[in-house]
Amino acid sequence: GESVGLHLPTLSVQEGDNSIINCAYSNSASDYFIWYKQESGKGPQFIIDIRSNMDKRQGQRVTVLLNKTVKHLSLQIAATQPGDSAVYFCAESISGGYNKLIFGAGTRLAVHP
Amino acid sequence: EPEVTQTPSHQVTQMGQEVILRCVPISNHLYFYWYRQILGQKVEFLVSFYNNEISEKSEIFDDQFSVERPDGSNFTLKIRSTKLEDSAMYFCASRGQGELFFGEGSRLTVL
Repeated sequence: GESVGLHLPTLSVQEGDNSIINCAYSNSASDYFIWYKQESGKGPQFIIDIRSNMDKRQGQRVTVLLNKTVKHLSLQIAATQPGDSAVYFCAESISGGYNKLIFGAGTRLAVHP
Repeated sequence: EPEVTQTPSHQVTQMGQEVILRCVPISNHLYFYWYRQILGQKVEFLVSFYNNEISEKSEIFDDQFSVERPDGSNFTLKIRSTKLEDSAMYFCASRGQGELFFGEGSRLTVL
């Protein structure tokens, strides 16, 4: 998956480095946020989520940070591996995600050995 | 690991033809969705379905689109008369009380 007109922001990192992917969301009423990874030709794959009553959540090698004041979400990937290469989308939702998700434009992560 | 499965993986059709995309959601899930992704663009919500009825739909989901859960396991998206601009990857998704799981997608090409 790619952003409009193929002008997808790309983050290039060296294997083993930490990656930070940023996302600005649109709706101040959104209360549930998710990061998805999409590999070429596949569907979005859940990475990590966070609700608006939190500002940080950690998973395995990933951390999501939420700044509601500036409507900003970030995904940190520790010790990035070649298998992390993909397009990463943030998504927002109201009502805890049981209704529609609104996806962001996506960022391509390229991990170089 | 349970997964959402979609068929066909790729369908080519002529403009004006009807298309049915099929999905088998994860078995104990109650919420079902269709999203689409036009090549080079972001993933867009089409419709959500719960308790045998549409709970929300986007402006993309016009009268040419319909969804059905005909037999308690399948969840289908029908496009009655396809247009060129319907060419996209269509993703089915389902959820229980937790995260949303997406299928691998069905690529629709309208000629």
